[in-house]
Amino acid sequence: EPEVTQTPSHQVTQMGQEVILRCVPISNHLYFYWYRQILGQKVEFLVSFYNNEISEKSEIFDDQFSVERPDGSNFTLKIRSTKLEDSAMYFCASSPQGFGNTEAFFGQGTRLTVV
Amino acid sequence: KQEVTQIPAALSVPEGENLVLNCSFTDSAIYNLQWFRQDPGKGLTSLLLIQSSQREQTSGRLNASLDKSSGRSTLYIAASQPGDSATYLCAVRNDYKLSFGAGTTVTVRA
Repeated sequence: EPEVTQTPSHQVTQMGQEVILRCVPISNHLYFYWYRQILGQKVEFLVSFYNNEISEKSEIFDDQFSVERPDGSNFTLKIRSTKLEDSAMYFCASSPQGFGNTEAFFGQGTRLTVV
Repeated sequence: KQEVTQIPAALSVPEGENLVLNCSFTDSAIYNLQWFRQDPGKGLTSLLLIQSSQREQTSGRLNASLDKSSGRSTLYIAASQPGDSATYLCAVRNDYKLSFGAGTTVTVRA
């Protein structure tokens, strides 16, 4: 069964460093997303991406964050200068469509720890 | 802004009992609703998707209902098993994004 794959599963980084989280969405999906879950809190939407453009982003997704689809299979989230409060589980998701009655499929997550 | 609430926050039942998990949302203009399962420290596994035009969706021992006009969904798990122990998340789709509830943590005692 097709699945969304995320690497690495766990990343530890020093405050102020740049990190790149990687995702391989399901191959025939067109919409890609990043969500995050701070420990003990709700899963929060960060950004949606379609046709090499951001289609929607939350207030969390400030200038420190960026997304990219560098090739036909990968989708990345970059955090330029990490802060302690960026420590969270980051989930990548993909769906065949963006709007409407479309199911989102999530990866297993990357646990980011900023020290 | 969409707000999603799940009640109860935690539930402990003996094996074999049926589970009832509730989800409510404030903005009824949704496209669909998904129920997910999350094991500790793990990812999100999609259990059921209910389209906005549907009232009910079933998969094995799982049944989910949707009352869009009143902003409610209920997930029923029949004949619970210890392997059903997990956190169950409800998420509603508006526009491009899903809004999640905080989840109901279920413990099924053997």
